[in-house]
Amino acid sequence: NAGVTQTPKFQVLKTGQSMTLQCAQDMNHEYMSWYRQDPGMGLRLIHYSVGAGITDQGEVPNGYNVSRSTTEDFPLRLLSAAPSQTSVYFCASSYSSGTDTQYFGPGTRLTVL
Amino acid sequence: AQRVTQPEKLLSVFKGAPVELKCNYSYSGSPELFWYVQYSRQRLQLLLRHISRESIKGFTADLNKGETSFHLKKPFAQEEDSAMYYCALKPPPGNTGKLIFGQGTTLQVKP
Repeated sequence: NAGVTQTPKFQVLKTGQSMTLQCAQDMNHEYMSWYRQDPGMGLRLIHYSVGAGITDQGEVPNGYNVSRSTTEDFPLRLLSAAPSQTSVYFCASSYSSGTDTQYFGPGTRLTVL
Repeated sequence: AQRVTQPEKLLSVFKGAPVELKCNYSYSGSPELFWYVQYSRQRLQLLLRHISRESIKGFTADLNKGETSFHLKKPFAQEEDSAMYYCALKPPPGNTGKLIFGQGTTLQVKP
């Protein structure tokens, strides 16, 4: 099993550009989520999904969209990147709930100029 | 509201010294708490959970309901323990259903 994979590993964007961060898991986990990691702020939940076709907002959803068309994939879209979105983004999955053991991806380091 | 606080951004100790990473929480009821760790260039992973009462890599964490704390301890730090550590709280049933993470503490073990 590859576990949770994320692409790309690094990305530099200009303000206003759009992009999609990819996340996939091969563990047949129902629950998937996106976090951003910022110094002094810890991990903050952006969006999450409890199953295919179901998504919901987390703590800091503004500026991000998600969809969950399959159990395996949970992409995160930035429609119009802003410098405040410079961060490290982690995707995570767990068996059935956000409170089960979370399995994290390797992260995507995003810089918005 | 449920909350997790890790008061130290950075904890620096020498190899062989005892380590205590602090975690305080606010919660009404019986909490379930976890420690996650992120080593350099590795992904975040579960270190231990209080219900397991286990020792992982020499680390232990005891839930102190009176002080609402779940501090992570190790008697003799090793250089390979250098990492970012996150304390996390499982909210009550019927709540958000999502773990609540603290701000994280970077542990630096010097040779």
